[in-house]
Amino acid sequence: KNEVEQSPQNLTAQEGEFITINCSYSVGISALHWLQQHPGGGIVSLFMLSSGKKKHGRLIATINIQEKHSSLHITASHPRDSAVYICAALYNTDKLIFGTGTRLQVFP
Amino acid sequence: GAGVSQSPSNKVTEKGKDVELRCDPISGHTALYWYRQSLGQGLEFLIYFQGNSAPDKSGLPSDRFSAERTGGSVSTLTIQRTQQEDSAVYLCASSLQTSGGIYEQYFGPGTRLTVT
Repeated sequence: KNEVEQSPQNLTAQEGEFITINCSYSVGISALHWLQQHPGGGIVSLFMLSSGKKKHGRLIATINIQEKHSSLHITASHPRDSAVYICAALYNTDKLIFGTGTRLQVFP
Repeated sequence: GAGVSQSPSNKVTEKGKDVELRCDPISGHTALYWYRQSLGQGLEFLIYFQGNSAPDKSGLPSDRFSAERTGGSVSTLTIQRTQQEDSAVYLCASSLQTSGGIYEQYFGPGTRLTVT
């Protein structure tokens, strides 16, 4: 069964803290997406990766294929980073299987 | 360029009525996906279209749900005889191509459906 698990479900942080959100998946995937959803907002794709590491501004995503694990890191977190972060695995069927999301709140 | 657009942004309907939700993908994107996000639930796949291939309907929750994609572009998701459990945000996404390659999916803003 294709499954995607995320942790933690909820995360609070003080502005400036380093944040890590974890995602694990059950079987081999083609790629993994990290998505961001602001309250009442749409979904924005942050990264799509199938190996290694990607960086965009203060966001870093890594994936370890052998361990079937990916992490999203936010450096120097800011209140505007408050959102739900969702990892989604792309399996052979070309459709995304989503994790349950991590609700992040960053306080000033 | 323009992103994925969806209409309406909000729809309130009475139980038992039919509704149509529209998605305009990014121009040139051959793959189009419908997803649903129910209150308190995660995102779930509904259906996807890839070029002229038969759509993958494996995620549709019941035969009250159907979708079509005309001319390889605009897609309409139809829900017949709506039920309260159909209340959710319906999201559309498109990507450049899926066969033989891995391409990022771009999401629309969603349609919030409320069935009263």
